[in-house]
Amino acid sequence: DVKVTQSSRYLVKRTGEKVFLECVQDMDHENMFWYRQDPGLGLRLIYFSYDVKMKEKGDIPEGYSVSREKKERFSLILESASTNQTSMYLCASSPDRNSYEQYFGPGTRLTVT
Amino acid sequence: LAKTTQPISMDSYEGQEVNITCSHNNIATNDYITWYQQFPSQGPRFIIQGYKTKVTNEVASLFIPADRKSSTLSLPRVSLSDTAVYYCLVGPMNRDDKIIFGKGTRLHILP
Repeated sequence: DVKVTQSSRYLVKRTGEKVFLECVQDMDHENMFWYRQDPGLGLRLIYFSYDVKMKEKGDIPEGYSVSREKKERFSLILESASTNQTSMYLCASSPDRNSYEQYFGPGTRLTVT
Repeated sequence: LAKTTQPISMDSYEGQEVNITCSHNNIATNDYITWYQQFPSQGPRFIIQGYKTKVTNEVASLFIPADRKSSTLSLPRVSLSDTAVYYCLVGPMNRDDKIIFGKGTRLHILP
């Protein structure tokens, strides 16, 4: 089974802190994605990556950056956390750039106070 | 990506067959239909994908009429553990677009 793991299930940070969310997948997938999920807004794509050291902006990249130094690891960085970044963050991976079959991690519920 | 419309919520009882319909009137010739399931406090899980007629796997069946302007996800004999949000997505396989999740259908199974 594909396994996508995220570094924390719950995280509480203060406004202005730099926050790192880590995601690791064990199936040698080339494609990885970061989403946030908010009530009433569904899932929204923040950033995605089709290869190591490659990144592309999703629908809501403002306030975020990403890093993909190794194929299995995709990190989401909040440079200066703000309260409106309080959300559920979901990482996903996919074996095929053109596939709709994505494998999601359990999510990290981030609270910024 | 073709716009989809699903009911916001549905209730059903244990043991019943549940059918969730998704409308996608402007589906394109090369679009596929994909369904995801999301349990509370978990990430979405791919459950089924199809292009036309009927697709069945161990979890669900997907029925697509000839005009492909709608599709129906069928869950046989549901249990309480099928309570989840179900998302319908429509788009081409050879795409450069991103996957877009709508608001989904919140299915609540009652005992």
